[in-house]
Amino acid sequence: DTEVTQTPKHLVMGMTNKKSLKCEQHMGHRAMYWYKQKAKKPPELMFVYSYEKLSINESVPSRFSPECPNSSLLNLHLHALQPEDSALYLCASSAWTSGAGELFFGEGSRLTVL
Amino acid sequence: QKEVEQDPGPLSVPEGAIVSLNCTYSNSAFQYFMWYRQYSRKGPELLMYTYSSGNKEDGRFTAQVDKSSKYISLFIRDSQPSDSATYLCAMSRNTGTASKLTFGTGTRLQVTL
Repeated sequence: DTEVTQTPKHLVMGMTNKKSLKCEQHMGHRAMYWYKQKAKKPPELMFVYSYEKLSINESVPSRFSPECPNSSLLNLHLHALQPEDSALYLCASSAWTSGAGELFFGEGSRLTVL
Repeated sequence: QKEVEQDPGPLSVPEGAIVSLNCTYSNSAFQYFMWYRQYSRKGPELLMYTYSSGNKEDGRFTAQVDKSSKYISLFIRDSQPSDSATYLCAMSRNTGTASKLTFGTGTRLQVTL
């Protein structure tokens, strides 16, 4: 069963709020990813965790803070966001950490920043 | 020049038609090629995954990779209205660390009754 589960599906927050996005996979995958997708654009990579360690940070502003509590869970903590951060945030996982192998995406969390 | 080029469409075809979606790329190091289908306001769904050159078939879908021409294709046979979505090609290479997909811009497909 290839399933990546993201919560919440929708989130509305003010610029001073603190919120978190959550992602869970039970496929035994050792690499997990956060992507950001704006309307009519392809997904853009934000962070990669490999064996629960942050391996790639694509120069993402510090108002986005990732966390990988264990091999099945990935969080994205949000603080002091800007309206331009409104987007679909996608979590993905893959079995391989070398660059090979396919990525499986969740349904996404749609974030609106007021 | 973008690393991966994909015609954004929209592409409109009648039900039952054969659809051809294509991407070209410039980085010869890419080894792994994927096609994703994305419905509006949903996450990308993996359709096909191929490694290196060749063809792969899965039901109504066929993926082709021609590394010598740096060209990949996705064919959809007997297209259905439920195939209406954005199709994203994606590719990656073996980095030894983690997979960084490079996406095309996506092609919007509309299958009409």
